[in-house]
Amino acid sequence: SAVISQKPSRDICQRGTSLTIQCQVDSQVTMMFWYRQQPGQSLTLIATANQGSEATYESGFVIDKFPISRPNLTFSTLTVSNMSPEDSSIYLCSVRGGRENTGELFFGEGSRLTVL
Amino acid sequence: LAKTTQPISMDSYEGQEVNITCSHNNIATNDYITWYQQFPSQGPRFIIQGYKTKVTNEVASLFIPADRKSSTLSLPRVSLSDTAVYYCLVGDISGNQFYFGTGTSLTVIP
Repeated sequence: SAVISQKPSRDICQRGTSLTIQCQVDSQVTMMFWYRQQPGQSLTLIATANQGSEATYESGFVIDKFPISRPNLTFSTLTVSNMSPEDSSIYLCSVRGGRENTGELFFGEGSRLTVL
Repeated sequence: LAKTTQPISMDSYEGQEVNITCSHNNIATNDYITWYQQFPSQGPRFIIQGYKTKVTNEVASLFIPADRKSSTLSLPRVSLSDTAVYYCLVGDISGNQFYFGTGTSLTVIP
């Protein structure tokens, strides 16, 4: 299994500012996934981050708003830029691993952002 | 991508068996069915995965009919600690995108 640590676990941010969320994995992984979970909602995939290449963004998400870095095989960051109250969500980092040939996803505890 | 449909919420008394059904009419040949459990303030956790027929592990059973257009997660003798949101995902396990449906919020009542 993979152990994922996210920082910060929660933060309160002012409108118009940007915040970078860090994700550290205890093993080397090719792909890392960033999800957003708005209050009371399901998870929405933001982007897939491969080491050494540009992240692949899902429809409705753009690099200018959610720039992602993937400097090595155990670390990634997601920045939420120019935040508005609508960006108040839990942001989750995820990797594949675990049981062989299952595509099982492991998640961090999430970063709960509140934008005022 | 196969879209999934689940009940929004369910209630059950402690000790009962709970069955949560997920519809996925457009499931593809290479798609597997995976269920996750999410507690408040935590990320989702893998419960069980299957391709066809029945799969059982220490936590749950997964029933998949021959046409694979639906699946049922069965939780035996639920306890209060099983109160959570349960998500059904359908997709190619070798793929690069994993999409969550709306989920089913299960409340276990004493």
